[in-house]
Amino acid sequence: DQQVKQNSPSLSVQEGRISILNCDYTNSMFDYFLWYKKYPAEGPTFLISISSIKDKNEDGRFTVFLNKSAKHLSLHIVPSQPGDSAVYFCAASEVWGAQKLVFGQGTRLTINP
Amino acid sequence: ETGVTQTPRHLVMGMTNKKSLKCEQHLGHNAMYWYKQSAKKPLELMFVYNFKEQTENNSVPSRFSPECPNSSHLFLHLHTLQPEDSALYLCASSPSGSGGNEQFFGPGTRLTVL
Repeated sequence: DQQVKQNSPSLSVQEGRISILNCDYTNSMFDYFLWYKKYPAEGPTFLISISSIKDKNEDGRFTVFLNKSAKHLSLHIVPSQPGDSAVYFCAASEVWGAQKLVFGQGTRLTINP
Repeated sequence: ETGVTQTPRHLVMGMTNKKSLKCEQHLGHNAMYWYKQSAKKPLELMFVYNFKEQTENNSVPSRFSPECPNSSHLFLHLHTLQPEDSALYLCASSPSGSGGNEQFFGPGTRLTVL
């Protein structure tokens, strides 16, 4: 029973365009959401997070949107750059500061020049 | 060394072998984690340690035995593994308590069980 799902295993976007990565969850107790980025042969690195009291959080080219009623979040990258090519994981937890993160299976983003 | 380091980076072992994975964090954190990532599956939390004490065991089989001698080091001792245990094993660390949810990951150990 997967509580966090990333239904697109891969996504290909042209450089300069917007990349939109999606994530759905089933547990209504999730209150805090994170996005991680992973390059080959490296561990995941934290990218951006959002609390359920917000519906949007922005950090430079990265924006995360949260739709609690739909149990859906998305990560927007604009403009997309070749260095953004990586696997992106969304993760969720029931409270801020909780150590138990539930991850999605990841989406491989490829930015084409 | 900075961040979270893991050794070895690659490991091939037979089902009767005993081996250990090592993780070290240089971030001054007090919480450490083991995760397993199998092919095309989400990261699965295995164990959590806070201030050297195990606080979470996510129903992990006993053939995986963690050890946390201090807040900077974490080991995963492996014994009589099965081929389905082949996976990427990731270590992470974070501040304990009110440090937020962000966890810092090492590069992982790619384990193959023959």
